[in-house]
Amino acid sequence: SQKIEQNSEALNIQEGKTATLTCNYTNYSPAYLQWYRQDPGRGPVFLLLIRENEKEKRKERLKVTFDTTLKQSLFHITASQPADSATYLCALRFGAGSYQLTFGKGTKLSVIP
Amino acid sequence: EPEVTQTPSHQVTQMGQEVILRCVPISNHLYFYWYRQILGQKVEFLVSFYNNEISEKSEIFDDQFSVERPDGSNFTLKIRSTKLEDSAMYFCASSDSRGSGNTIYFGEGSWLTVV
Repeated sequence: SQKIEQNSEALNIQEGKTATLTCNYTNYSPAYLQWYRQDPGRGPVFLLLIRENEKEKRKERLKVTFDTTLKQSLFHITASQPADSATYLCALRFGAGSYQLTFGKGTKLSVIP
Repeated sequence: EPEVTQTPSHQVTQMGQEVILRCVPISNHLYFYWYRQILGQKVEFLVSFYNNEISEKSEIFDDQFSVERPDGSNFTLKIRSTKLEDSAMYFCASSDSRGSGNTIYFGEGSWLTVV
């Protein structure tokens, strides 16, 4: 069956450093992959989408890479700030005709001042 | 920025009671969704809705669940006879298309506690 794994449940990082989060998937070749941010008790907020034919996507301090050979996406936050502390979710649509997003369990990022 | 709004933010209900969770999707969106998240677990898909009918549903979305768009703005999730395991945060979401690359916008959630 198709799976999404976000390898780290939690990641602590010093303010100003680059945070790198990993998302791996199995048994499918998705057309695109999405990253969301979720704060405690809040709904997921869309951050970035990367398509299978894109190797890298940037938005301000955020960068996403997508390696369809490794079946992996990396999510980077450069110059991290305490306000970046949140849980980051990777999401995929498994199946061209499917409406549903399948989410990873998320990585809780804590940026320490 | 337009947003998806949900009510109530928190509801406590007795096991076996019916619950209706309400959502107002973003006004020009055509695709509507319900997801849920049990405390400490993944966000899980329940159902998608387009053109006044269910487009897709997950195994979680059994006969106890139903969705409705009673008017041009509201989208509701009904749980007919709640069980303890229905306790979760329920997120409504909407998007303007289903195609590749569409962004799904989530509401802030309705926290349901079944006692």
